[in-house]
Amino acid sequence: QKEVEQDPGPLSVPEGAIVSLNCTYSNSAFQYFMWYRQYSRKGPELLMYTYSSGNKEDGRFTAQVDKSSKYISLFIRDSQPSDSATYLCAMISTNFGNEKLTFGTGTRLTIIP
Amino acid sequence: EPEVTQTPSHQVTQMGQEVILRCVPISNHLYFYWYRQILGQKVEFLVSFYNNEISEKSEIFDDQFSVERPDGSNFTLKIRSTKLEDSAMYFCASSEADMGKETQYFGPGTRLLVL
Repeated sequence: QKEVEQDPGPLSVPEGAIVSLNCTYSNSAFQYFMWYRQYSRKGPELLMYTYSSGNKEDGRFTAQVDKSSKYISLFIRDSQPSDSATYLCAMISTNFGNEKLTFGTGTRLTIIP
Repeated sequence: EPEVTQTPSHQVTQMGQEVILRCVPISNHLYFYWYRQILGQKVEFLVSFYNNEISEKSEIFDDQFSVERPDGSNFTLKIRSTKLEDSAMYFCASSEADMGKETQYFGPGTRLLVL
C-alpha cells in the first residue's frame, strides 16, 4: 500500500462549482498536512497547512483532516479558471529527525469557463 | 514577497558529466531541502540541510549527490556523474526555524536533461 494515495484525475468542473480534492494515507506518524498548487512546469506553491483534525479555512479554500480515517480533503468554493492546476497533497511525520514531505501524485484540475 | 530562486532554469548535460544546481533560499530561513520530480511522477524528497550539515536524506541521495552552502545565501546540489535517470525537475525548498518543517516554500525548479 502506498504511503499517500491521491486520485490523479483529470478533473474538469465548470466555473463557480465546488471542487473536492482528496488524499488518503497509511502512515499514522503523519501529523502535518499540506496542500500545494503546481502550475505546469512550475514549482509547488504552498496553499494551506494544518495539523489538527477538523477544518481550516482560507478564503475560498478549506482544508479538512480526518485522522481517524486517515483522509484529507481540499475544497475550493466558487472555482475560477485561474484555479486550473495540479493540486498536490503532502504530509510530514513528527518522528524525530524526519523532515521530508511525502507527496501524493497530484490531481490535475481544469476549471471550464 | 520573498521567494526561493533557482538557477539555471534548464540544464542539458552529457551522461557522466558533473552538474551543479544552485538555489537562493528565502533569506531568514534556516532549513533547506532538495526534491526532484521525474516527468509524470510525484515529487520526491532528496535531502534536508540544517546548520551546515545534512539532517536527513533519501535512498535516492547516494554518493553521486552532494549538497553545500558555500556562502550565506547560496545552497547547491551537485551530481558528480550524471546518469540518464537523473533527468528530472529539481526543486529547492526552504523553511523558517520557528515555523517548522511543515511550511516549506519551493523554488521554480531546474529542469535537468541528461543525454
